[in-house]
Amino acid sequence: KAGVTQTPRYLIKTRGQQVTLSCSPISGHRSVSWYQQTPGQGLQFLFEYFSETQRNKGNFPGRFSGRQFSNSRSEMNVSTLELGDSALYLCASSLLAGVIADTQYFGPGTRLTVL
Amino acid sequence: SQKIEQNSEALNIQEGKTATLTCNYTNYSPAYLQWYRQDPGRGPVFLLLIRENEKEKRKERLKVTFDTTLKQSLFHITASQPADSATYLCALNAGNNRKLIWGLGTSLAVNP
Repeated sequence: KAGVTQTPRYLIKTRGQQVTLSCSPISGHRSVSWYQQTPGQGLQFLFEYFSETQRNKGNFPGRFSGRQFSNSRSEMNVSTLELGDSALYLCASSLLAGVIADTQYFGPGTRLTVL
Repeated sequence: SQKIEQNSEALNIQEGKTATLTCNYTNYSPAYLQWYRQDPGRGPVFLLLIRENEKEKRKERLKVTFDTTLKQSLFHITASQPADSATYLCALNAGNNRKLIWGLGTSLAVNP
């Protein structure tokens, strides 16, 4: 089974621009979560989608948004980029959404650099 | 404030020894705690999950303990190998949902 894929792997943008990142979960997995990882803050939860609905949301500003499609693929969008948005953005898929303790499978991440 | 703390300093051990990593948390009552491994340039890989009513969980050379009174989890790698060198992350659920809170991770280096 193919793992979680994320595109693009690397991205360089300038302040004020917007960016869209894509995630394809493992086949059969319907839940997708997004995280931001920085050296100082570690992994921080952005949001989780299941069946095209946002189920959980972290403490990020409204500039960060996401969506999920009927095939479970997910995108996240960051508008009006700031320097502090430079980070590794990780997507994780899991089989279930209603079960609290469900293993998450991470993709390789998208490295976003904002200049 | 609510937080998770892992050993901030890198851990260097000799091949064959047991590595012990610590995860302490405050102001949470997690239903479960997970340990992940992360290699440079890659996403975290799930290793073990331990629930609040479990004291210990094992998987091959890995062992996790969970003490809800001390608010601490210990992660052990026995008979360590250079291939075990990586950053190890602990994560727990913050409430009755799937939102995970993560530690910053501990870097482990196993020297041959």
